[in-house]
Amino acid sequence: DQQVKQNSPSLSVQEGRISILNCDYTNSMFDYFLWYKKYPAEGPTFLISISSIKDKNEDGRFTVFLNKSAKHLSLHIVPSQPGDSAVYFCATSGTYKYIFGTGTRLKVLA
Amino acid sequence: EPEVTQTPSHQVTQMGQEVILRCVPISNHLYFYWYRQILGQKVEFLVSFYNNEISEKSEIFDDQFSVERPDGSNFTLKIRSTKLEDSAMYFCASNIGGQAYNSPLHFGNGTRLTVT
Repeated sequence: DQQVKQNSPSLSVQEGRISILNCDYTNSMFDYFLWYKKYPAEGPTFLISISSIKDKNEDGRFTVFLNKSAKHLSLHIVPSQPGDSAVYFCATSGTYKYIFGTGTRLKVLA
Repeated sequence: EPEVTQTPSHQVTQMGQEVILRCVPISNHLYFYWYRQILGQKVEFLVSFYNNEISEKSEIFDDQFSVERPDGSNFTLKIRSTKLEDSAMYFCASNIGGQAYNSPLHFGNGTRLTVT
């Protein structure tokens, strides 16, 4: 039951370049989407969110894009920094729960 | 910035024993959650809790699991008789308004449960 999918388990990017992380979902009724960052031995940390009435939301170096027709969202990090190296999870809200993707491990190379 | 706190950070227990994982959610939050992550796998929903009742639970959250808010600040997860496959990181989370208000979850740093 993979309602939220992150098809790339890992991504490597040079420092200063753009990181693009992708996420697909199956249920068109989902209307709120989030990105979390997770370091080892820590809990997920909220990064940025978007509701389905928007197609873009920006917060500093982080921008989330939502394509409702394709059921796809992406997170852009510009410029990427070594401290951004972490696992990134997309998530969406269900009825009384939030559903997480499998995560993408981002490595930013100095 | 207020945060969700979890204790203990690491719990080792023998198979068949009961464990209680503790959480203090952010004080003005109304919705509480438990998630778990088996090593290297996805973050899995266990249960959500609002107004002293379970709102939703997953198929993982069977009769061996229970949650409680014993006072105004703590939120606990009890596993009655632990199994080897319960070994995982358990994360507590809270948010202010649940899905109706599109509010993000705030997570604690987790309890690593090791069942031997």
